[in-house]
Amino acid sequence: DIQMTQSPSSLSASVGDRVTITCQASQDTSYYLNWYQQKPGKAPKLLIYDASNLGTGVPSRFSGSGSGTDFTFTIFSLQPEDIATYYCQQYNNLPLTFGGGTQVEIK
Amino acid sequence: EVQLVESGGGLIQPGGSLRLSCAASGFTVSNNYMSWVRQAPGKGLEWVSVVYTGGSTYYADSVRGRFTISRDKSKNTLYLQMNSLGAEDTAVYYCARSVDDSRFVFDNWGQGTLVTVFS
Repeated sequence: DIQMTQSPSSLSASVGDRVTITCQASQDTSYYLNWYQQKPGKAPKLLIYDASNLGTGVPSRFSGSGSGTDFTFTIFSLQPEDIATYYCQQYNNLPLTFGGGTQVEIK
Repeated sequence: EVQLVESGGGLIQPGGSLRLSCAASGFTVSNNYMSWVRQAPGKGLEWVSVVYTGGSTYYADSVRGRFTISRDKSKNTLYLQMNSLGAEDTAVYYCARSVDDSRFVFDNWGQGTLVTVFS
């Protein structure tokens, strides 16, 4: 199985700050890497697919990059509504695997 | 508008069985990969199973042999039959639609249904 290591597990930042989350795969996943946002009590929402493509209706302050084993997710200007947990997910191999999540809070 | 509505969760004793349903609207379940993803209380996301457009299925090791995924074209509904349940199966179960029939990009999710296995 491909292990997805996300860091940090939590972070606190101010409104307007740039926030960066990394996801490292234990094997090459090419660009088959997605990012999701999950707010408390809600289902996950697709933000970025295929490493760097913005999901439908997703604000442009969200961005993704990377390929192979190292991926980065960025919020360019943190907004109060971005408080959530973010997950990466690889789909190069079955079983599909998710990172452990990064909880983002407002400082 | 695409919509996924899960049902069938509840309280169940260890060793018991439950069948979850995911009623779909706005698209045809047999035209997309359809998966179940679960989330234990306070934990991260765990993929459980997929049914491909051709009908083939695949399972996570943790549920293989105990869970069965299926779909009913006439009802446009996805199912997850769960047998021999244990405490480790306690979770919110989400059905998730892949964006097409070639990629595991989950563009639509249901609201989730809670399964609690207790003794």
